[in-house]
Amino acid sequence: SAVISQKPSRDICQRGTSLTIQCQVDSQVTMMFWYRQQPGQSLTLIATANQGSEATYESGFVIDKFPISRPNLTFSTLTVSNMSPEDSSIYLCSVELTSGGNLGSYEQYFGPGTRLTVT
Amino acid sequence: GEDVEQSLFLSVREGDSSVINCTYTDSSSTYLYWYKQEPGAGLQLLTYIFSNMDMKQDQRLTVLLNKKDKHLSLRIADTQTGDSAIYFCAVPMFSGGYNKLIFGAGTRLAVHP
Repeated sequence: SAVISQKPSRDICQRGTSLTIQCQVDSQVTMMFWYRQQPGQSLTLIATANQGSEATYESGFVIDKFPISRPNLTFSTLTVSNMSPEDSSIYLCSVELTSGGNLGSYEQYFGPGTRLTVT
Repeated sequence: GEDVEQSLFLSVREGDSSVINCTYTDSSSTYLYWYKQEPGAGLQLLTYIFSNMDMKQDQRLTVLLNKKDKHLSLRIADTQTGDSAIYFCAVPMFSGGYNKLIFGAGTRLAVHP
């Protein structure tokens, strides 16, 4: 498994400002993901971040609104830019670990999330 | 694309078994996952099953997979109040060189005495 921490755990921000969320993993991983969970909803993938390359964004998410950095194999940041109340959500980072053997499983582990409220 | 569906609510009495169901559309999925989210917390990977298996048991948890019907279920035996949480079924979709997880809406399990 992987131990993932996120900072901040929660924040209340004013509209028009930006917030950068940090994600730290206790081991080196290739794939890191950023998800959004809107109130009472399921998780939606924002983007995938590989170290050394630009993030890949899902439909409906753009780099100008959600810039991502991935400077090394244990760390990533997600910035929520020019925030509006609609950005109030929980933002979660996750990592993919693969195991060898016959089954070659993929496991995704999640951080505790950052609860963002935009007023 | 992949579509994953779950019922939204389940209420059970403490000590009974809980069964949470999930259906999906993409038959090429190799692994299928169950996550648990407690109030105010992140997601905890509970268990997963490989698509060539019909059943996987892990202590109080039993995962059943009917690949023909694209139906996945999670059974929790002897349900306790600490099992109260939202349970998400997740199915990977391989795209662009990585596994993108598609989540169901989540089933809120309420355990009452």
